[in-house]
Amino acid sequence: DADVTQTPRNRITKTGKRIMLECSQTKGHDRMYWYRQDPGLGLRLIYYSFDVKDINKGEISDGYSVSRQAQAKFSLSLESAIPNQTALYFCATSEARGGNTGELFFGEGSRLTVL
Amino acid sequence: QQQVKQSPQSLIVQKGGIPIINCAYENTAFDYFPWYQQFPGKGPALLIAIRPDVSEKKEGRFTISFNKSAKQFSLHIMDSQPGDSATYFCAARGVGGKLIFGQGTELSVKP
Repeated sequence: DADVTQTPRNRITKTGKRIMLECSQTKGHDRMYWYRQDPGLGLRLIYYSFDVKDINKGEISDGYSVSRQAQAKFSLSLESAIPNQTALYFCATSEARGGNTGELFFGEGSRLTVL
Repeated sequence: QQQVKQSPQSLIVQKGGIPIINCAYENTAFDYFPWYQQFPGKGPALLIAIRPDVSEKKEGRFTISFNKSAKQFSLHIMDSQPGDSATYFCAARGVGGKLIFGQGTELSVKP
């Protein structure tokens, strides 16, 4: 089983619908992230959480919200999806920074299409 | 604004060639510079990384060259193979441990 699991892997929805992407991890890491990948723009940080009670906005948080339900679970919501939120979304985890490189471990991605 | 600029966006080389991917940054507070490799349908995975007090790091066929004064770093792939075909992202770690990624380079190694 994957260490970082994202569901769903693919989703097609319509403008205005509410969408939730879920992420769970078995690595025991405290830190979790949501990134968005678009061609030519790379990976951009949407939200991140350094522990269950800590949620922070990233570069492009407008139109998104998150919930850290437990150390192992971090979900991303689009309250009212719009076509320019069509993208590949990645969840990632890392250990706390102190003493290590902070390597990110990514899930396999959730492809979202908003019509 | 894009704090880490990566080029080229795409690159095609023949097997055995040496593709070079370049990245530039502005923020001198960045303290760690990793490269991630992503195969189609998969998430990115750490390939190699360097700290700014080192000018070069090699791991197998992959080498990072780092120029602190120019605020640039690059990835070289020696004796490239078709299996190296992937998207490569440079990144830089800033305040609070967040990684800022470059735009990505899609590499194709032809047999």
